[in-house]
Amino acid sequence: QPVLTQPTSLSASPGASARLTCTLRSGFNLGSYRIFWYQQKPESPPRYLLSYSSDSSKHQGSGVPSRFSGSKDASSNAGILVVSGLLSEDEADYYCMIWHSSAYWVFGGGTKLTVL
Amino acid sequence: EVQLVESGGGLVQPGGSLRLSCAASGFTFSDYEMIWVRQAPGKGLEWISYISSRATTMYYADSVKGRFTISRDNAKNSLYLQMDSLRAEDTAVYYCARETMVKAFDIWGQGTMVTVSS
Repeated sequence: QPVLTQPTSLSASPGASARLTCTLRSGFNLGSYRIFWYQQKPESPPRYLLSYSSDSSKHQGSGVPSRFSGSKDASSNAGILVVSGLLSEDEADYYCMIWHSSAYWVFGGGTKLTVL
Repeated sequence: EVQLVESGGGLVQPGGSLRLSCAASGFTFSDYEMIWVRQAPGKGLEWISYISSRATTMYYADSVKGRFTISRDNAKNSLYLQMDSLRAEDTAVYYCARETMVKAFDIWGQGTMVTVSS
């Protein structure tokens, strides 16, 4: 079954860019999947940010600023979420997710982004 | 306003049962597929169940298969999760969410806490 691995934590400075990775287990080609990203702040439900399959097939969640963007890195079999122009309000947990035909929806373990 | 509101959580003993509800408003509920996701305390998100818009297809995660049953009542704009044979490891916040055409979960409820403990 597919497994998504995310770094446990990441720190970045206000105004800088943060690059969050989501690596798909070897044996599965991320190029075949659409990757979804969610943001979760303490004591709140997750918020859908965006999905990315390719540059011609991507979707931004309603009201999500363009500072949040998605991509893929084929060389590392990873999905990428870039948050540019970091604000203190971007401090949150970020989860990636894919849909697989037999495992259905699979989440990564989440990355805690600290803005300091 | 598009909204999902869960209810029915609480404290239950191991082996017990609980039925969660999710009330939808602000959109045409019968047009959408729906899912349940849970989050154990201090842990990540886990998808657990899916139901198609007309309740013809249901999927379950292996962790709950055979113990949980998803259902819906489109006339009442409501989604349900019947949870039987509950275990301590089922302790979590349970969220209902709406699924979009591209399989994203775009609207989430606030969640309801389920605690399985003696």
